[in-house]
Amino acid sequence: DAGVIQSPRHEVTEMGQEVTLRCKPISGHNSLFWYRQTMMRGLELLIYFNNNVPIDDSGMPEDRFSAKMPNASFSTLKIQPSEPRDSAVYFCASRFATGTLGHYGYTFGSGTRLTVV
Amino acid sequence: DQQVKQNSPSLSVQEGRISILNCDYTNSMFDYFLWYKKYPAEGPTFLISISSIKDKNEDGRFTVFLNKSAKHLSLHIVPSQPGDSAVYFCAASRIQGAQKLVFGQGTRLTINP
Repeated sequence: DAGVIQSPRHEVTEMGQEVTLRCKPISGHNSLFWYRQTMMRGLELLIYFNNNVPIDDSGMPEDRFSAKMPNASFSTLKIQPSEPRDSAVYFCASRFATGTLGHYGYTFGSGTRLTVV
Repeated sequence: DQQVKQNSPSLSVQEGRISILNCDYTNSMFDYFLWYKKYPAEGPTFLISISSIKDKNEDGRFTVFLNKSAKHLSLHIVPSQPGDSAVYFCAASRIQGAQKLVFGQGTRLTINP
């Protein structure tokens, strides 16, 4: 299995532009999570999906952020318009949710480093 | 409001000695705790976990201790090796129901030869 695949690995964009980050979860996993890593706050959960349905988007910073999961094998995180303070590493993670967390933790992708100038 | 806090942004330890990373949490509903390790340009990977019914869990060189009354957990690495140099994230969750992990800010551990 190739693991959780994120693209692009790096993105540099100008303030005001639209940015789309992509994630392919591990086949068979039914939960998908988007996290953002910053120095100040560490790993912040932005949104997560169970069976392609958004469950908790309380971490989405503002209306400029949106996420979709049109099918079990693909998710996007979109920022429009982007701002310099959005610069961070964005991680996607997936897991097979059994109703209990147990020790079946997340599998993370390698992340997308976003720089907004 | 940071529900999981790692107050030491960095830690430097001599090879062969013990590394102790600390983590505090505020939400008493958390009953499951994990440590993740992250190398540069990679995603975090699971290291070790503990549920609230235990106060210690060991896996090789890694031991996690949980003090529920203090809402504090720690990760001990003995002996520390150069390959342990990484960023370590503490995370907390609930075993039942809510499945999201709440992470701390991370601690960068450097093992010096």
